[in-house]
Amino acid sequence: NAGVMQNPRHLVRRRGQEARLRCSPMKGHSHVYWYRQLPEEGLKFMVYLQKENIIDESGMPKERFSAEFPKEGPSILRIQQVVRGDSAAYFCASSPWTGGDEQFFGPGTRLTVL
Amino acid sequence: DQQVKQNSPSLSVQEGRISILNCDYTNSMFDYFLWYKKYPAEGPTFLISISSIKDKNEDGRFTVFLNKSAKHLSLHIVPSQPGDSAVYFCAASSNTGKLIFGQGTTLQVKP
Repeated sequence: NAGVMQNPRHLVRRRGQEARLRCSPMKGHSHVYWYRQLPEEGLKFMVYLQKENIIDESGMPKERFSAEFPKEGPSILRIQQVVRGDSAAYFCASSPWTGGDEQFFGPGTRLTVL
Repeated sequence: DQQVKQNSPSLSVQEGRISILNCDYTNSMFDYFLWYKKYPAEGPTFLISISSIKDKNEDGRFTVFLNKSAKHLSLHIVPSQPGDSAVYFCAASSNTGKLIFGQGTTLQVKP
């Protein structure tokens, strides 16, 4: 049973380009969460999605960031017109249901903006 | 506003001794608490959790204690092993799905 998959593991972009981060949840999991970890900090919640629905995007920056979890395929975190401050590790997690139970994390995508 | 705090950035312990990692929270609506372990360049790995209706949960070498009145939880690892060296994050949830993480504590277990 494969764990949470994320790709790419490393992504380098120049300022102004777009970054697309992909996450495939564990088999049987329909809840996906994205977190961001800046250097020397803890993980910060960004967005919570179920299939075709955004449940909570309270941690997402208002501009340039978007997320989706389509009926088929992986969840996508999209960052448009990246800036240096977007450089971070982006982690995806999945769970089989909401609230209280542990979330299983992927290995992360390390985004570097030049 | 840091709702979950881990005030010790680092901890060093001798192999075989007990490691105690601490975590404080401010939001009384939190009803579920978790500890994750993280190695460099990897994602966090779930260790142990506790519901707010309990004050202790044990799993092998790992025990989590919850003191609701003090809004404090701790993770005890005994005996500590060199392979336990990692960053430990506590996290809290209020049944909304999202986890609120502390800043992490780096544990070093010396052989």
